[in-house]
Amino acid sequence: DAKTTQPNSMESNEEEPVHLPCNHSTISGTDYIHWYRQLPSQGPEYVIHGLTSNVNNRMASLAIAEDRKSSTLILHRATLRDAAVYYCILRDRNQGAQKLVFGQGTRLTINP
Amino acid sequence: DGGITQSPKYLFRKEGQNVTLSCEQNLNHDAMYWYRQDPGQGLRLIYYSQIVNDFQKGDIAEGYSVSREKKESFPLTVTSAQKNPTAFYLCASSITGRGLYEQYFGPGTRLTVT
Repeated sequence: DAKTTQPNSMESNEEEPVHLPCNHSTISGTDYIHWYRQLPSQGPEYVIHGLTSNVNNRMASLAIAEDRKSSTLILHRATLRDAAVYYCILRDRNQGAQKLVFGQGTRLTINP
Repeated sequence: DGGITQSPKYLFRKEGQNVTLSCEQNLNHDAMYWYRQDPGQGLRLIYYSQIVNDFQKGDIAEGYSVSREKKESFPLTVTSAQKNPTAFYLCASSITGRGLYEQYFGPGTRLTVT
């Protein structure tokens, strides 16, 4: 499985935008970039995914570099409820089994 | 409401005892998964099942066993052979087949073995 690299932790203030980076220099042409987040003492939840173009949904935006070797998850206006560990995961679209390979993720702290 | 339930939320056992963790889903998903999470770490895959009566080992299957007799249920047994069983256990489910279907996770069971 292709690997991703994320900062261990980040800190931001409430109501400010947050940019969470992810490096995936060995990404293959069939890999999609997925983001999940895990709130304290809960199971992870899906946030967003993309292939080449930037993506938006109600939770966040995903900006993907032109060479696809990095991406950034953007929370436009962070709230205290966004404090969580964010995982950047690569998934091969041709893979039948839906295995997710989790790294250590980025622990996001939001200051009031 | 549709979702995944895991019970109990906290479980305590003595060393040397087998223990079974429950996972039920009413999402009509074919695939189900068990992950283990240690403090400060990401999740690691223990077992997964893409269809009833079939399952495959994940990355850390030693000391664990599963069964998939019903579509909606995927219990995990932590046996006495598992050397470090204390952990947070998470069950998930998804649509199967080629595609990029998201996984839905349950709330987890925190197992403590002393």
